[in-house]
Amino acid sequence: AQSVSQHNHHVILSEAASLELGCNYSYGGTVNLFWYVQYPGQHLQLLLKYFSGDPLVKGIKGFEAEFIKSKFSFNLRKPSVQWSDTAEYFCAINSGYSTLTFGKGTMLLVSP
Amino acid sequence: NAGVTQTPKFQVLKTGQSMTLQCAQDMNHNSMYWYRQDPGMGLRLIYYSASEGTTDKGEVPNGYNVSRLNKREFSLRLESAAPSQTSVYFCASEGGKLFFGSGTQLSVL
Repeated sequence: AQSVSQHNHHVILSEAASLELGCNYSYGGTVNLFWYVQYPGQHLQLLLKYFSGDPLVKGIKGFEAEFIKSKFSFNLRKPSVQWSDTAEYFCAINSGYSTLTFGKGTMLLVSP
Repeated sequence: NAGVTQTPKFQVLKTGQSMTLQCAQDMNHNSMYWYRQDPGMGLRLIYYSASEGTTDKGEVPNGYNVSRLNKREFSLRLESAAPSQTSVYFCASEGGKLFFGSGTQLSVL
């Protein structure tokens, strides 16, 4: 069975600080990796995804994530956060035809 | 484009009442999903439908039933609501990524 672990439940940063949210997964085979974001009062939307190829993936709004296969990790990064990045972030994986498994989420609060 | 449409947005039920959450997508996707979102628990899959006419249990199916009425519509039914089913429910369809509906906030008293 596949599982996803997000290390931080809550992160508080000041504007312009750098962000890194941890995501580790467990699964023995090939996986597809995703980061979704949920802004306050809104539904989830895709930030970025990795299926294959370059392990450094760039997404919307300046976010990027790096797939490190040896560490089973897919950490999300942003060099300089903005107040508008305040949201909950979910890492998710699937494999082949399996359904998506989500992590428990990380709530990011960016103070102006 | 409407994308994924969910109704209702809010609902309050008494324990034992029944209700159906409606979901429709206009993107011609085969796969559709129902998730529940609870604080500190992330999203948990209730049921999914890989194609019209098929449904499968997810991680937390107990207390729920689903119907894939046609390719567009995938409904979730609570036959006898319980306080443990107080949650935010999201429908989603899949086309390379998940497209989510706006959610239903359900409270069971």
